[in-house]
Amino acid sequence: LAKTTQPISMDSYEGQEVNITCSHNNIATNDYITWYQQFPSQGPRFIIQGYKTKVTNEVASLFIPADRKSSTLSLPRVSLSDTAVYYCLVAFYNQGGKLIFGQGTELSVKP
Amino acid sequence: KAGVTQTPRYLIKTRGQQVTLSCSPISGHRSVSWYQQTPGQGLQFLFEYFSETQRNKGNFPGRFSGRQFSNSRSEMNVSTLELGDSALYLCASSLGGRASTDTQYFGPGTRLTVL
Repeated sequence: LAKTTQPISMDSYEGQEVNITCSHNNIATNDYITWYQQFPSQGPRFIIQGYKTKVTNEVASLFIPADRKSSTLSLPRVSLSDTAVYYCLVAFYNQGGKLIFGQGTELSVKP
Repeated sequence: KAGVTQTPRYLIKTRGQQVTLSCSPISGHRSVSWYQQTPGQGLQFLFEYFSETQRNKGNFPGRFSGRQFSNSRSEMNVSTLELGDSALYLCASSLGGRASTDTQYFGPGTRLTVL
């Protein structure tokens, strides 16, 4: 059964690096792993997307091992404004490419 | 450029009724996807439309349906509402690639309450 698994919650302090891992088996071969950030009362917002190895943009990095059974979102030097819920999104080929979100990781950044 | 807009923002219905939600994508975006978000089930994919055609569908009963118009605007309909349909319904648009490979831009959602 296709499933994505993320930690339910994480705590961090300002200035630290935060790594959130999403585990996913049998994802579609040619599809990407995408991470979204969501604040209360808002829709999710795109953070980063990757297919394999490592992707970096101005706000985050995404690490994907060769087997693509997991991915790790890395947030460098978090601030209080990074307190939010983070979701990974993948497509599962054994379910006809159905899109499945992880259950979300609630990140709390403390001063 | 204006973002994704969803109307209405809030809606209250009673069991057995039907509801239609509307989504206007970002100008130039041709792909629209719909999601349901609840505290218990999290974010769940409903369906994806491109060029007025449904090209992917999640595991929801037939009471949930959608369509896309030639201007890329989309509507979703839920018939015979049940209490469990109470949720935040999110619409997302992208340029034209699949929702699994393209950057999606989400609207603020429609909060549906079924009494």
